[in-house]
Amino acid sequence: SYELTQPPSVSVSPGQTASITCSGDKLGDKYACWYQQKPGQSPVLVIYQDSKRPSGIPERFSGSNSGNTATLTISGTQAMDEGEYYCQAWDSNTEVFGGGTKLTVL
Amino acid sequence: QVQLVQSGAEVKKPGSSVKVSCKASGGTFSSYIVNWVRQAPGEGLEWMGRIIPILGITNYAQKFQGRVTITADKSTSTAYMELSSLRSEDTAVYYCARGVDYYDSKNGMDVWGQGTTVTVSS
Repeated sequence: SYELTQPPSVSVSPGQTASITCSGDKLGDKYACWYQQKPGQSPVLVIYQDSKRPSGIPERFSGSNSGNTATLTISGTQAMDEGEYYCQAWDSNTEVFGGGTKLTVL
Repeated sequence: QVQLVQSGAEVKKPGSSVKVSCKASGGTFSSYIVNWVRQAPGEGLEWMGRIIPILGITNYAQKFQGRVTITADKSTSTAYMELSSLRSEDTAVYYCARGVDYYDSKNGMDVWGQGTTVTVSS
């Protein structure tokens, strides 16, 4: 079955750029989406179609996808961006989620 | 703007079944997809399956094949997820989430329910 691999944790200083990677076999041939989840809350879609932002998602969130890696980039990271981030892709009639990355803003 | 409103928390015995509902409030299912995703305590998101209500088509994750049944009532815009033969490892928060893509997932899941906690304990 298809697998997506994320680093367990990423730390960033306020105002700096955070990058969270998601790796999977030929992931660049698929579409990647990203979700943000804060404790006790439902996930929120922050990136779809590799790099598009839903309405209401700040411009500091961006995404890319090429080769075997999709990347979520948060520019000018703010304290409110702390949380868990999950990548997701579709493979063989199945939705697949990465294991999640805990973003800490120190 | 459609919201997905889920049924309340459940406590179940091992070996029993649970049925969780997900109602589209402020709209209908229209041509959307309803996914079911669960999250065990302290763990990540796990996709269980989905239904396209307008077509009655379902897809299930291999892990849950034979144990999960997803249905939908178009007349009430309500989807259901039933999980049988419950065990302690099924203790989790269960979410429904809306999708729009039949043959891929490029647009992701843009609306999520509030989650339903299912506890399996003897």
